[in-house]
Amino acid sequence: KAGVTQTPRYLIKTRGQQVTLSCSPISGHRSVSWYQQTPGQGLQFLFEYFSETQRNKGNFPGRFSGRQFSNSRSEMNVSTLELGDSALYLCASRHGTYEQFFGPGTRLTVL
Amino acid sequence: AQRVTQPEKLLSVFKGAPVELKCNYSYSGSPELFWYVQYSRQRLQLLLRHISRESIKGFTADLNKGETSFHLKKPFAQEEDSAMYYCALHIYSGAGSYQLTFGKGTKLSVIP
Repeated sequence: KAGVTQTPRYLIKTRGQQVTLSCSPISGHRSVSWYQQTPGQGLQFLFEYFSETQRNKGNFPGRFSGRQFSNSRSEMNVSTLELGDSALYLCASRHGTYEQFFGPGTRLTVL
Repeated sequence: AQRVTQPEKLLSVFKGAPVELKCNYSYSGSPELFWYVQYSRQRLQLLLRHISRESIKGFTADLNKGETSFHLKKPFAQEEDSAMYYCALHIYSGAGSYQLTFGKGTKLSVIP
């Protein structure tokens, strides 16, 4: 099976802009989670989607949002970008109850 | 709130020496702990989970609830073990949702 894919792999944006990141899970996986990775805070949970519904959300401001489509593909959106949003954004998909399979990440740089 | 602490940012050992990567956690519920590994230019992947009590690539980890620890050990380090290691607490958040709370990671460098 193909692994989790994320597009684009790299993005450069300026403050105040918005950005949309995409994640395609492993075929058959209906759960998609998003994580933010920064040098200072490490890996932090953003949210989880299952069957097009957000089931859980981490401690991030409302500027961070997401959605999931009927084919389980997911997007996350960050509006009004701030410098501190520069990070590696990881997507993970899951079929069973525990193992999450991670994508390669999208590196977002906010100037 | 849950928390995972990995006290060492960097750990350097010689090839053939024993390795111990430390992990402590804080969680009020029944903990389920994992170790994830990220090799250079590869994606984050699950190494092992405490419930399975298995040895993967020679690594083992025992959950010690009294000390709230889940240290990762290997008796003889190999150069290919050089990687970033993350300890993670796997939490059921209700409504079928699970999330991982990660430590900040330890970079293991095995010196030839």
